[in-house]
Amino acid sequence: DQQVKQNSPSLSVQEGRISILNCDYTNSMFDYFLWYKKYPAEGPTFLISISSIKDKNEDGRFTVFLNKSAKHLSLHIVPSQPGDSAVYFCAASALTDTGRRALTFGSGTRLQVQP
Amino acid sequence: GAVVSQHPSRVICKSGTSVKIECRSLDFQATTMFWYRQFPKQSLMLMATSNEGSKATYEQGVEKDKFLINHASLTLSTLTVTSAHPEDSSFYICSARVETLLNTEAFFGQGTRLTVV
Repeated sequence: DQQVKQNSPSLSVQEGRISILNCDYTNSMFDYFLWYKKYPAEGPTFLISISSIKDKNEDGRFTVFLNKSAKHLSLHIVPSQPGDSAVYFCAASALTDTGRRALTFGSGTRLQVQP
Repeated sequence: GAVVSQHPSRVICKSGTSVKIECRSLDFQATTMFWYRQFPKQSLMLMATSNEGSKATYEQGVEKDKFLINHASLTLSTLTVTSAHPEDSSFYICSARVETLLNTEAFFGQGTRLTVV
């Protein structure tokens, strides 16, 4: 049972255009969401996060939008650059009854930005 | 951001041997570290939560006797794959949790590509 879903395995956009990566979740207990970027054979690097008390967070070219009622979040990259080409993982976090807080990851979306 | 160092980045071992992977938080103390595994073209799967000074918490389906986790200090957690088999070949990644005033963030090591031959 996938609690965090990224339904698009890949996305291709032209340099300078907007990239929109989507993520859906099913667990209503998730209260913190993160986006990670990952190159092959490397660990994920943190990009941007958003708390469930917000609906938008912006950091430079990256903006994350959260729609709690739809259990949907998206990452916007504008303008897209060839160096943005990587796999992007959406992750969600919830506090469990044991006090643990781990991340549940989506399956990733491979973004390719064409020069 | 916080720095997490994972070593080695790549290891090839013979079937039946054990391999130790280290995960260090370089500029902060991490009471909790996480170990993930990634199969080709799949997502990161949480294997276990490593707590400093206590036993690790394993996710369902992860053999604790095969994947030994030790979190002996606030800056070091180790994962030992014991009696490795070819099906253990995978990409292993650790992360350390950083608590901020508002939220929790996780920073990742570079990952270890394990190949068992």
